[in-house]
Amino acid sequence: EPEVTQTPSHQVTQMGQEVILRCVPISNHLYFYWYRQILGQKVEFLVSFYNNEISEKSEIFDDQFSVERPDGSNFTLKIRSTKLEDSAMYFCASSGKGEEGYGYTFGSGTRLTVV
Amino acid sequence: AQSVTQLGSHVSVSEGALVLLRCNYSSSVPPYLFWYVQYPNQGLQLLLKYTTGATLVKGINGFEAEFKKSETSFHLTKPSAHMSDAAEYFCAVTLNTDKLIFGTGTRLQVFP
Repeated sequence: EPEVTQTPSHQVTQMGQEVILRCVPISNHLYFYWYRQILGQKVEFLVSFYNNEISEKSEIFDDQFSVERPDGSNFTLKIRSTKLEDSAMYFCASSGKGEEGYGYTFGSGTRLTVV
Repeated sequence: AQSVTQLGSHVSVSEGALVLLRCNYSSSVPPYLFWYVQYPNQGLQLLLKYTTGATLVKGINGFEAEFKKSETSFHLTKPSAHMSDAAEYFCAVTLNTDKLIFGTGTRLQVFP
């Protein structure tokens, strides 16, 4: 079964450093997303991406965040200057409409710890 | 605007008992509805989804959910709980390929 792959699974970074979280969505999907989950809290939408541009972003997704699909297969989330409160699990997801209807597939996540 | 309410942040059942996790949604148009399960320190796994058609949806691991438009509900049930069902369960709503809006989650505990 097709999977969304995220790397790395864990990342520890110092406050103020830049991090890039990587995702390989399902190949025939057209819609891509990043979500985050702070420990013990609900999953929150960050950004959606379609046709090589951001289609929607939440208020969490400020100027410190950016997304890119650099080569047609990878989908990255960059945090320019990390803060302690950026520590969370970050999930990538992709979506497409198949015969069975709309489907969202999530990756297994990257746990980001900012120290 | 869409929203999801999950009643009960914690639910405890005995092994073999009925599992009922509640989800109510708010949407101005017919939504697509999902249940995801998250085991400790793992990602989100799709249990089942409702898009169109039959309102009773069967998913993996013996779970099912019924879309009730009149009650704006999409409750998740399983006739007989198993110890391995202990996890966090999230209800989510969307309109077509728009972003998913998640509920706050329900932690299910299963006692022997």
